Amino acid sequence: AQSVTQLGSHVSVSEGALVLLRCNYSSSVPPYLFWYVQYPNQGLQLLLKYTTGATLVKGINGFEAEFKKSETSFHLTKPSAHMSDAAEYFCAVGPVGSYKLIFGSGTRLLVRP
Amino acid sequence: EAGVAQSPRYKIIEKRQSVAFWCNPISGHATLYWYQQILGQGPKLLIQFQNNGVVDDSQLPKDRFSAERLKGVDSTLKIQPAKLEDSAVYLCASSLGEGGAYEQYFGPGTRLTVT
Repeated sequence: AQSVTQLGSHVSVSEGALVLLRCNYSSSVPPYLFWYVQYPNQGLQLLLKYTTGATLVKGINGFEAEFKKSETSFHLTKPSAHMSDAAEYFCAVGPVGSYKLIFGSGTRLLVRP
Repeated sequence: EAGVAQSPRYKIIEKRQSVAFWCNPISGHATLYWYQQILGQGPKLLIQFQNNGVVDDSQLPKDRFSAERLKGVDSTLKIQPAKLEDSAVYLCASSLGEGGAYEQYFGPGTRLTVT
């Protein structure tokens, strides 16, 4: 069965520092991959997704993620953190040929002034 | 374009009571999902509709949960009777089509507290 692992339930960075949120998946066939962000008391918003093609995917708000098949990873990065980036981030996989999204347990990003 | 609407936003009930949540998806979206998000966890799919038909309800606790999508638009999720472990945020999402490549758009959720 597909699964998603997000390393670190909480990540704290200083404003202006690099943001790195880790996501690994288990699948014999590369799935579709997604990153969602959830602000307090709001629903999830899609940051970016990988389906096929270029392995470096750019999303909204300056975020990007790189699909690495050999490492079964899809880590999310942003060069310079902003206070408004503080939120919960979820990695999700969508098995090819399936409609389902399987979510990781989330990583809460804290941005220190 | 209006997003996915959900109501109520918050609900507090006692165990063994019943509760219903409503969702209005984005206009034109054929696929509708209900997720349960327990505190500290990622969302878990409860049920998926394609138009007004159920595609997958394998993770829906059918002894107490029910859902319907009349006329292929709005949807209602009901819990009867509620248990303490049902305390969670219930998220509704919709997408244009069925398949992992289609973006799912999420509503703000309904936070249920069962006491």
